[in-house]
Amino acid sequence: DSGVTQTPKHLITATGQRVTLRCSPRSGDLSVYWYQQSLDQGLQFLIQYYNGEERAKGNILERFSAQQFPDLHSELNLSSLELGDSALYFCASNQGGFQETQYFGPGTRLLVL
Amino acid sequence: GQNIDQPTEMTATEGAIVQINCTYQTSGFNGLFWYQQHAGEAPTFLSYNVLDGLEEKGRFSSFLSRSKGYSYLLLKELQMKDSASYLCAAADNYGQNFVFGPGTRLSVLP
Repeated sequence: DSGVTQTPKHLITATGQRVTLRCSPRSGDLSVYWYQQSLDQGLQFLIQYYNGEERAKGNILERFSAQQFPDLHSELNLSSLELGDSALYFCASNQGGFQETQYFGPGTRLLVL
Repeated sequence: GQNIDQPTEMTATEGAIVQINCTYQTSGFNGLFWYQQHAGEAPTFLSYNVLDGLEEKGRFSSFLSRSKGYSYLLLKELQMKDSASYLCAAADNYGQNFVFGPGTRLSVLP
């Protein structure tokens, strides 16, 4: 158990819909990272927040957005969903930046039908 | 940009030694990580190298050559539970990106 929690574990929705994924980091961690893992593209970095502020942005689509709240939990919002958005979405946390070990949550499996 | 390459699959026998290679090209470099991921589960940290050389941690060791853009993960005394994907990942020097390789799926056979 990494100490990072994600909800929900599974999510099934339809194309065109909007969903919100939630992540609570390990106690004391200030950074939250979001990743997408699909069969054809592997693990892709989406975005990083540090203490409430966006710090780094990877391959995140414009239809996706995220935020980190004062209590340090984070939400990833996915809108206008397409079939290709079906994937495992992982959240990870650490105390600082990429040079530190990231602790991954169990992931949210999203299926878009 | 960043590019990371690893073999797609490897097979080894229980009790043997296996070396998983990783080559990378990054715009700036701030360390190389190895993660283990069992099917359907989250990645878990194995090792981190930022300086050239070998880092040993129990049955697992990781090597880095920054001049060659090359790393390897060495697994000794293989066990069935080591069957998993091994992901090589690099952080750029600007703290703006973190890239994972495609992963190497290792199958350990009895």
